[in-house]
Amino acid sequence: KNEVEQSPQNLTAQEGEFITINCSYSVGISALHWLQQHPGGGIVSLFMLSSGKKKHGRLIATINIQEKHSSLHITASHPRDSAVYICAVAKTSYDKVIFGPGTSLSVIP
Amino acid sequence: EPEVTQTPSHQVTQMGQEVILRCVPISNHLYFYWYRQILGQKVEFLVSFYNNEISEKSEIFDDQFSVERPDGSNFTLKIRSTKLEDSAMYFCASEGGAGYGYTFGSGTRLTVV
Repeated sequence: KNEVEQSPQNLTAQEGEFITINCSYSVGISALHWLQQHPGGGIVSLFMLSSGKKKHGRLIATINIQEKHSSLHITASHPRDSAVYICAVAKTSYDKVIFGPGTSLSVIP
Repeated sequence: EPEVTQTPSHQVTQMGQEVILRCVPISNHLYFYWYRQILGQKVEFLVSFYNNEISEKSEIFDDQFSVERPDGSNFTLKIRSTKLEDSAMYFCASEGGAGYGYTFGSGTRLTVV
């Protein structure tokens, strides 16, 4: 069983829609990362969370440690948000990160 | 904002050749990592490095691979005698410890022909 799961695997949305991507994990963690990967392949860190909620622009990330679940929300989605969004967890500080399979998002004008 | 820099961005090499992928971590970070992503698959951990030695390595990181911090700034991944299946995107990351964040480089796309 994979330690990090994401849903949905693929998501197509109309511009302006509110988007939610879910991540669940099966191990104890010290931090959870949300990452963005564009078709060129580079990875951009969006958030690192250990509790609660973080907001940056139109992006919001939440985490529920008890339920081992995190969500990434995008408000007022835009075609430039089209990318793969990856959830990844670290079991402890100073540790490797375990990646989820990613959610491929396509926002249509 | 500080960045992790990787060079080259794309390298094409012939099967059997040695390649060295370079990374410049964030200057005050102490923990360094290499990951790879084969096309269409998820990112996989290769190796972590701290205090000038390997702290953990995955099953993928066999004798074909080595890492080095040759000076105070660079962190390199060497692949000896490359194979076709080594074709992948290779990411470097560095971590400064609790609260200092975990930063990924933009990756090196390695193509073995």
